[in-house]
Amino acid sequence: QKEVEQNSGPLSVPEGAIASLNCTYSDRGSQSFFWYRQYSGKSPELIMSIYSNGDKEDGRFTAQLNKASQYVSLLIRDSQPSDSATYLCAVNRPGGGADGLTFGKGTHLIIQP
Amino acid sequence: GAVVSQHPSRVICKSGTSVKIECRSLDFQATTMFWYRQFPKKSLMLMATSNEGSKATYEQGVEKDKFLINHASLTLSTLTVTSAHPEDSSFYICSAGGGEVNEQFFGPGTRLTVL
Repeated sequence: QKEVEQNSGPLSVPEGAIASLNCTYSDRGSQSFFWYRQYSGKSPELIMSIYSNGDKEDGRFTAQLNKASQYVSLLIRDSQPSDSATYLCAVNRPGGGADGLTFGKGTHLIIQP
Repeated sequence: GAVVSQHPSRVICKSGTSVKIECRSLDFQATTMFWYRQFPKKSLMLMATSNEGSKATYEQGVEKDKFLINHASLTLSTLTVTSAHPEDSSFYICSAGGGEVNEQFFGPGTRLTVL
């Protein structure tokens, strides 16, 4: 069973601070890694995608990937109350053709005003 | 990213009835779409991969005769929950690609409640 692991939280961060979210995955064949944000009762929204080792920045978000350690993380700078949500780590399921995604259970992030 | 719609957004039905959920890609043609299910406080679980013009590929443990998938065109995939039972009550979400490799964009989801 291929797995994606996340700390479920809640992770509480003061407004304006950096929120750090972590994820590990078990399938070494995975090549595509994603962070989704999901508000309660809503469907996931793609925040970041990352494919190669290192950092990828987009606005206040930075994704980090280390394939050797099978680890991917998301940093949110200058955290805002509107960032409060569940953040889902997702990894592709390699098998030829279009790949479905395996999701972690998500980390519940709370930004305290 | 891709824009994906779903209909209906919410449905309540009696046990034993069938429910059809539509998923449309609005701004591009999707040869492959995906169906996920999410139970309360759980993560998304891939149910099946919907392939335009061919049979869907189901994940282990998902009954293909209960969850019928039809991908009749490049912009429409449907999921029919047949003979629904209360344990089928869940949040059903479809997705489609359209961005970078393996990126998926999700529809708004359909909340199914079976009484």
